[in-house]
Amino acid sequence: EIVLTQSPATLSLSPGERATLSCRASQSVRNNYLAWYQQKPGQAPRLLIYDASNRATGIPARFSGSGSGTDFTLTISSLEPEDFALYYCHQRSHWPTITFGQGTRLEIK
Amino acid sequence: EVQLVESGGGLVKPGGSLRLSCAASGITFSTYGMNWVRQAPGKGLEWVSSITESGSDIYYADSVKGRFTMSRDNAKNSLYLQMSSLRVEDTAVYYCARDYSSGSSTDYRGQGTMVTVSS
Repeated sequence: EIVLTQSPATLSLSPGERATLSCRASQSVRNNYLAWYQQKPGQAPRLLIYDASNRATGIPARFSGSGSGTDFTLTISSLEPEDFALYYCHQRSHWPTITFGQGTRLEIK
Repeated sequence: EVQLVESGGGLVKPGGSLRLSCAASGITFSTYGMNWVRQAPGKGLEWVSSITESGSDIYYADSVKGRFTMSRDNAKNSLYLQMSSLRVEDTAVYYCARDYSSGSSTDYRGQGTMVTVSS
């Protein structure tokens, strides 16, 4: 089973700043099938990025994903107030099994 | 608009059973693999089970294998999760999700349904 480790656990930034979130896999993620999700309290996860670097439909351009193999990054170029939330990475190297990272909490400084 | 509306959650005693449903709209349901993912209170996300478009193949996490049964009715645009022999550790919000981008990721469009297992 591929284990995903996200860092940092908590990231404290101000609106307008750049956020960089990391997700490291215990082994290579096949085809870079790595996704990023945003979750707010009481809501379902929202798909932001799929296949490591593709924005899902309707996701603002300030969200971008990069990386390959075992190291992946979600970047938010300029934080908006609504971006403060929990973020999870998700891998699906071998359908159907999914593993999630433990999450990064992005909080207002 | 894509909607996946989960229902059927509630309070049940350990050892009891519950059937969750997920009603899909805004998509051609029969062309999507579907999934159940859960989230225990204050915890992260955990994959539970997946089913192929036709329903011919179904897969389960080890934590629920032998206790949960996933199924679908493409004529009714509906997904189901029959849960039995429930344990306290099954307490969670259960989300249904469709496969996205040929299954490399999953897409959540509902609010989930809460299952509480407690005596």
